[in-house]
Amino acid sequence: DGGITQSPKYLFRKEGQNVTLSCEQNLNHDAMYWYRQDPGQGLRLIYYSQIVNDFQKGDIAEGYSVSREKKESFPLTVTSAQKNPTAFYLCASSTTDRNVEAFFGQGTRLTVV
Amino acid sequence: KQEVTQIPAALSVPEGENLVLNCSFTDSAIYNLQWFRQDPGKGLTSLLLIQSSQREQTSGRLNASLDKSSGRSTLYIAASQPGDSATYLCAGLNYGQNFVFGPGTRLSVLP
Repeated sequence: DGGITQSPKYLFRKEGQNVTLSCEQNLNHDAMYWYRQDPGQGLRLIYYSQIVNDFQKGDIAEGYSVSREKKESFPLTVTSAQKNPTAFYLCASSTTDRNVEAFFGQGTRLTVV
Repeated sequence: KQEVTQIPAALSVPEGENLVLNCSFTDSAIYNLQWFRQDPGKGLTSLLLIQSSQREQTSGRLNASLDKSSGRSTLYIAASQPGDSATYLCAGLNYGQNFVFGPGTRLSVLP
């Protein structure tokens, strides 16, 4: 089945640790996105990539890093510089034409312990 | 900066009612609009996509319309059912080729 797979579903981070969230898609989409969702708020864009080896910062990129070495994969690293990382993280992908439809993974819930 | 509002923030109705959820963009310059459903603790499921050349889309009991001149979209749910209970989010594709989301409307349909 085509889709987007995020792993793990739940992740716990100790203070000062870096953690990496995985996002893989087999939809052959060029564009991939990372969003953060906090309770009662909409989704906020962290990073997005429209092509392999290129990515752009979103509205809240500080404390996060990404890579896009393969079309299918767009991992997100939450660094120790991110002071409030506890949130629900969602990965999405789409084509890059103007009438795009976004598809989402099932999310990773990150908790700082 | 593009901002999106959704009204109402929450809605609780008895089963069978017809519902209207509203979405507004501060900047009407969006290419297309997508409505999503999100169940608690889950990802987003796409419901309807209104492409740039379209004004509305229908799928089953759902109908979404888009007025680009005013930057407003409406999601109409007919004959609501308890299984429709979820949070509904709208998102617009802006000229930067990324999606801007509203905060969502939390819907509860009571049996």
